[in-house]
Amino acid sequence: GENVEQHPSTLSVQEGDSAVIKCTYSDSASNYFPWYKQELGKRPQLIIDIRSNVGEKKDQRIAVTLNKTAKHFSLHITETQPEDSAVYFCAASKSGGTSYGKLTFGQGTILTVHP
Amino acid sequence: ETGVTQTPRHLVMGMTNKKSLKCEQHLGHNAMYWYKQSAKKPLELMFVYSLEERVENNSVPSRFSPECPNSSHLFLHLHTLQPEDSALYLCASSQDEKGRAEKLFFGSGTQLSVL
Repeated sequence: GENVEQHPSTLSVQEGDSAVIKCTYSDSASNYFPWYKQELGKRPQLIIDIRSNVGEKKDQRIAVTLNKTAKHFSLHITETQPEDSAVYFCAASKSGGTSYGKLTFGQGTILTVHP
Repeated sequence: ETGVTQTPRHLVMGMTNKKSLKCEQHLGHNAMYWYKQSAKKPLELMFVYSLEERVENNSVPSRFSPECPNSSHLFLHLHTLQPEDSALYLCASSQDEKGRAEKLFFGSGTQLSVL
């Protein structure tokens, strides 16, 4: 089955700096890659996703890049703010087709943004 | 009430107890999920229901028994649990199209402690 590795496990930055979180996946057939943000004591929420036919996607201060050849994808947060502090999870799935797609999650990255 | 709601928020039970977790989604989705979130581990998929049919049972012990009476409600029946089952149990829903498990909306979870 799919295996997703996420790094780093913790990341500490100063407000205004950029943050980058990286994930690698094992199944070359995976074609859908979402990122979820989970603030302390709250539910995970989808913040951005990308499909395998796209190399990069941006939404305001966040962006995701995908390298299918190397089987890795990254989350980039620019101009970080204290409210960006949370646990971020990447995930991968083989979506569509005849088999039911399911999300495999990475271990999570605890991001702390210091004012 | 909107989104995905889970009850109870917290549950403490002994190993011989029987209890049930409840999840209700108000988003008109047709797929529902149970995930287990333990400290320092990735989110683990337990069960998936699509159109009220169980499509995934991720090698979960029989002491966990899911029930999906309709597309808006999902239960997780618990009996004779072990201390290692203590975790945050998250329910999620999505609009499943052609086997796509994408854009999950999570509930706030039930924090379960097994004594």
